[in-house]
Amino acid sequence: DAGVTQSPTHLIKTRGQQVTLRCSPKSGHDTVSWYQQALGQGPQFIFQYYEEEERQRGNFPDRFSGHQFPNYSSELNVNALLLGDSALYLCASSLQGVRIQQPQHFGDGTRLSIL
Amino acid sequence: AQSVTQLGSHVSVSEGALVLLRCNYSSSVPPYLFWYVQYPNQGLQLLLKYTSAATLVKGINGFEAEFKKSETSFHLTKPSAHMSDAAEYFCAVIVFGNEKLTFGTGTRLTIIP
Repeated sequence: DAGVTQSPTHLIKTRGQQVTLRCSPKSGHDTVSWYQQALGQGPQFIFQYYEEEERQRGNFPDRFSGHQFPNYSSELNVNALLLGDSALYLCASSLQGVRIQQPQHFGDGTRLSIL
Repeated sequence: AQSVTQLGSHVSVSEGALVLLRCNYSSSVPPYLFWYVQYPNQGLQLLLKYTSAATLVKGINGFEAEFKKSETSFHLTKPSAHMSDAAEYFCAVIVFGNEKLTFGTGTRLTIIP
């Protein structure tokens, strides 16, 4: 049973560039959430996708956008990269609907470094 | 909005000693609470969850946590620490009406041989 998979594992970009990160949810899960984890900090919620729509959004600028595909996989896009965007980006999947108490399962993340 | 506070960014215990990691929550509605563990260069792994059933929750690897509404706490414990427990631990909360999983700042657990 495959868990949450993320690609790539590491990425180096320069300021001003754009990046796309990808996530495949755990088998049977229909909801994908994205988090940013800066060094030494807890994960910060970016947004959540369910039924191909953004359901919830955290305090992140519009430079951060996403998409969910019919097979439940998801992408996170970040435009006009800033040095402060350097972080570990985590994807988590869950069974949603109204079952928010269902735990989210996390991938190993994508380490994004901005030069 | 809901929040969690983890007291102690670093905790060190001797191998075989009791592990106690503290988490206090703030929420105006009944919360659902989680503990996750993160090993270096890895994602987060669920240790245990509180979803309003039993207040004493048992998780993986011998960890357990007790939900205490009167103290707004959800502390994580393990009777006897093992070297493999060295990791970063995160407490998290989610509630109906604001369905964003909110994490604490984490506690780094070091095990002394």
